[in-house]
Amino acid sequence: DVKVTQSSRYLVKRTGEKVFLECVQDMDHENMFWYRQDPGLGLRLIYFSYDVKMKEKGDIPEGYSVSREKKERFSLILESASTNQTSMYLCASWTSAREDTQYFGPGTRLTVL
Amino acid sequence: AQSVTQLGSHVSVSEGALVLLRCNYSSSVPPYLFWYVQYPNQGLQLLLKYTSAATLVKGINGFEAEFKKSETSFHLTKPSAHMSDAAEYFCAVEAVGTGFQKLVFGTGTRLLVSP
Repeated sequence: DVKVTQSSRYLVKRTGEKVFLECVQDMDHENMFWYRQDPGLGLRLIYFSYDVKMKEKGDIPEGYSVSREKKERFSLILESASTNQTSMYLCASWTSAREDTQYFGPGTRLTVL
Repeated sequence: AQSVTQLGSHVSVSEGALVLLRCNYSSSVPPYLFWYVQYPNQGLQLLLKYTSAATLVKGINGFEAEFKKSETSFHLTKPSAHMSDAAEYFCAVEAVGTGFQKLVFGTGTRLLVSP
């Protein structure tokens, strides 16, 4: 079974803190994604990576950065957390639409106080 | 650019009733289309995927979806709702022509099932 794991299910941070969200996949997928999920807005793509050290901005990259030093690991970084970044964060990975489906982690519910 | 519209943020049905969740997409070419389900406090999991092999796609848990090119629709149906179907459902379309393998998601429809 494909597995995508996220480092935390729940996280509470204070405004201004630097926050790291980690995602690991075990299927050797080239592509990895970070989404943000908010009620009524669906899934919005923050950043994605198509190879080690390669990244592309998604639809809402402001306030976020990412790191992919190893193929299996994709990190989302909030440089200075703000209350409007309180949300559910979902990581996903896959090979392609033709070959595959996106596999999702369980999500990290981040609260910024 | 591709987009997905899911009509109805909430759909309520009684147990045993027909489930119909609507999805319309925009794409210049026949795309790959997906339906995902999200149960509370979980990530998304694949219900079914359209690959152009057949217009009627059968998925898990008795769900199916029909691809209608003329209507640019990919509605999800289930003949008889079960309490365990209560979840949020997302339609997604392949982002064709971007040079990257990514999906565009709809805003989701929450299915409520009453006894």
